[in-house]
Amino acid sequence: GAVVSQHPSRVICKSGTSVKIECRSLDFQATTMFWYRQFPKKSLMLMATSNEGSKATYEQGVEKDKFLINHASLTLSTLTVTSAHPEDSSFYICSAPEVNTEAFFGQGTRLTVV
Amino acid sequence: DAKTTQPNSMESNEEEPVHLPCNHSTISGTDYIHWYRQLPSQGPEYVIHGLTSNVNNRMASLAIAEDRKSSTLILHRATLRDAAVYYCILRDVVCLWSCGGTSYGKLTFGQGTILTVHP
Repeated sequence: GAVVSQHPSRVICKSGTSVKIECRSLDFQATTMFWYRQFPKKSLMLMATSNEGSKATYEQGVEKDKFLINHASLTLSTLTVTSAHPEDSSFYICSAPEVNTEAFFGQGTRLTVV
Repeated sequence: DAKTTQPNSMESNEEEPVHLPCNHSTISGTDYIHWYRQLPSQGPEYVIHGLTSNVNNRMASLAIAEDRKSSTLILHRATLRDAAVYYCILRDVVCLWSCGGTSYGKLTFGQGTILTVHP
C-alpha cells in the first residue's frame, strides 16, 4: 500500500533553534498533506493543511509564523518549528490522503526541546 | 465536523472478540464512518470504513446501525498487537477539482478508545 515517510523520527534541539520535519509520499502524489501535533496521552490535534503550490491553511490558534509549512512538490511537505521552546516538545505527525482510499500517516517525529 | 462519542477504555482477553462502540447521532447523509488505530509511539493506521452497509476486511468488521447514528468496530480475535487507541471518525467526501475520483477531507480525531488486551 501507499506509504508516507516522515523524517526524522526523533530530534532533540536546544531552545531557540529551528527544526525541520519532512513528510514524503513515497508512491503517490499528494496535493494536500495534513500536519498534526499530539501531546502525551492526548489525541491528535490538526495544526494545518499543506497545499502544494499554495499557502498552507492553519487551524485556529496555530501560529503560522512559528510553524512554517512548505509544500514544494507533490511528494514533499515540510514543517519547520522556528525558535523552538520546551512547550513545543511534542509528537508531530503528517498525513496524506490518497484518492479513492484512506489517509496514510507518517511514523511521527518526537521533538524534544531542551 | 459531526462529533463521535467513544468509551475511554476497554479491555479484552487475547483470542476473544472485541466490540468497540461509537455513537455519532449528528451524522449527516454524506459522512463516511472511518476507524483508525494508533499503536504506541506510531502514527495512526487505517482500519476500516463504511457508509451504510456492514463492511469486512482482513483486519476487522464494521457494523453500522440502520439509522447510522452508531457503529461498532469488531475485532474477531484480539491479539496483543491489537492493543492501541481506536478512533472513530466521520469524514465527508471532498472531490477536489482535479482529484480524479473520491477524496476524503481532513481527519478530526476525538479522544478514542484505549484497548487493552490481556494475555
